[in-house]
Amino acid sequence: EVQLVESGGGLVQPGGSLRLSCAASGFTFSSYSMNWVRQAPGKGLEWVSYISSSSSTIYYADSVKGRFTISRDNAKNSLYLQMNSLRAEDTAVYYCAREQSHESWGQGTLVTVSS
Amino acid sequence: QSVLTQPPSASGTPGQRVTISCSGSSSNIGSNTVNWYQQLPGTAPKLLIYSNNQRPSGVPDRFSGSKSGTSASLAISGLQSEDEADYYCAAWDDSLNAYVFGTGTKVTVL
Repeated sequence: EVQLVESGGGLVQPGGSLRLSCAASGFTFSSYSMNWVRQAPGKGLEWVSYISSSSSTIYYADSVKGRFTISRDNAKNSLYLQMNSLRAEDTAVYYCAREQSHESWGQGTLVTVSS
Repeated sequence: QSVLTQPPSASGTPGQRVTISCSGSSSNIGSNTVNWYQQLPGTAPKLLIYSNNQRPSGVPDRFSGSKSGTSASLAISGLQSEDEADYYCAAWDDSLNAYVFGTGTKVTVL
């Protein structure tokens, strides 16, 4: 069974940093591309970033470009999102999702940016 | 601001057919396949339809998808109370180099 478990969320002050992790199990992680998607409270889904299976191709949404960095460690079956210069508008539940079709999702981790 | 436009709400009585539209452009729906997601209250989204009209294993055949030009549609036939959820379309956008989600549609079963 495919399992994706996000962690690392929490309360951070504006301008601060946070690193999210997504632990994958139940499939060959190194064979699949991955994504981060977020959802602000009461709002719709917003795609954040994509990374290919070998990390050779990476894309970001304009709203996070230059502030967020996606990475993965295939040996550890893990996906990461380093978030710097956080703003109030980054407050959201962050999900990791498998493949460009987003065929499997984790349960999400809440990031709150507030002073 | 999302580049894929959906109606904010749709509703029907049990057993009825409900259709949700998703309007895009030549750089997204017009040149790439469309996926649909269902998000039940308080849960993570779930892939409902991929590649315009394909259902993942376990998704009832009451759900169907179609695409024409720069628009796509999701149909729910034989509406059931458990179908009350938010529904999102999505597609890759070649101009933005980004995966774009629709604005979302809340389906209510009356």
